[in-house]
Formats: sequence, C-alpha cells, structure tokens
Amino acid sequence: IAGITQAPTSQILAAGRRMTLRCTQDMRHNAMYWYRQDLGLGLRLIHYSNTAGTTGKGEVPDGYSVSRANTDDFPLTLASAVPSQTSVYFCASSDSGGAPVDTQYFGPGTRLTVL
Amino acid sequence: GESVGLHLPTLSVQEGDNSIINCAYSNSASDYFIWYKQESGKGPQFIIDIRSNMDKRQGQRVTVLLNKTVKHLSLQIAATQPGDSAVYFCAENMAGNTPLVFGKGTRLSVIA
Repeated sequence: IAGITQAPTSQILAAGRRMTLRCTQDMRHNAMYWYRQDLGLGLRLIHYSNTAGTTGKGEVPDGYSVSRANTDDFPLTLASAVPSQTSVYFCASSDSGGAPVDTQYFGPGTRLTVL
Repeated sequence: GESVGLHLPTLSVQEGDNSIINCAYSNSASDYFIWYKQESGKGPQFIIDIRSNMDKRQGQRVTVLLNKTVKHLSLQIAATQPGDSAVYFCAENMAGNTPLVFGKGTRLSVIA
C-alpha cells in the first residue's frame, strides 16, 4: 500500500505557464486536501474535497483550481503560475470527510519554483 | 479571526530530557486537536490526537494535555531522542464540516 503519492517531486516553472500537481491515494479515503507550506506561515489550506464530485475553497484558493472526478485522485492546477506560488505543496486525505474530522495523512510533497 | 498559534517557534532539548511543546488556540468551539511531526523534506506525520471531552491522552513516549479553560494544548515527549528532531504542528477542528486549522509550527532540536 503506497498511501498518498504526489507528482512531480519538484518542478521549476516559468511564470505564466500552466501546471498540474498530481495526488493519488489508495486508502479509499473520502476527503482530500491541498496545502501549501511556506516558511513562517505553516500549512495553509488551498482547496479540499469531502467526497468525490465535491470541492471547497480553503484559506488561500486564488490562482488554484481542483477537481475530484473519483475517490483516488485530486489534482491541483495552477492556470497561470506566478512567483508567489513558489512553495511546497502537500496533498492529504482523511477517512471521514466531515464531522468529526478524522486524522489527515499527508503525501511527501511537491516543491514548486516559479521563476 | 480565530486562529491556532504556538508560544515558542524553536526549542532545544538535551537528549534524554523531556520536551514540552505548547500551543494556544482561540476558538472555544474547537473539539478536536491533533499534533503532527514533520521531518526535513517530508510531509507531516500524525503523532497523537485528543478530543475536547478529554484532558489528557498518552501514546508511546508522547502525552497530549488539553486545558480548555485557558485554551491551551501541549505535547510532551519523554526521553527525547535525536530522531525526535523535527517541526511539530498542532491543529484544531470544530465539529461539523470544517477543515483542520494548523498552527505555524515549533522546531525541536535535540542536542546529543
């Protein structure tokens, strides 16, 4: 069992380019999440999905979009990357997707640099 | 707005000593709290959780204490080891369909 996988591991991207970060989990968890982690700011929620077919906005959704076509995959897309989106991106999943929120399990992260 | 925060951004502890990492929360409606450990270059890893109907919960070498009166959460690590060196995050959640809110993290450095 792999848990949560993310791809790519790292990426350098020119500003203005479109980029999709991939996230796949094999635990059949209902809920999935995308966070960005920046030094001094901790983990900030970008978007989440409580179940396949639904998505919601987190704390910092602007410039990002997500889709949840099935249980396992939760891609994050930057339509037109900007340097301020340089960060480490973590995908996570949890079993309940609602109340009470269950433990979230994190992927290894994607380090994205936008030049 | 409501937020989760930490008292100390860094903590240095001698190997073998006990570590205490603190976290303050301001949302009195929060009823679920989690501690995560994040090693360099890795994603956060679940350590221990506690619900608001408890004051204390123990795991292997770790104890979480919850003081709802002063909205304070702490993580105690017994006999700290070099492998405990990491950044530790607390997170809170309110009952209902709301995502976790994470604190900014405390870096624990273990001195051999």
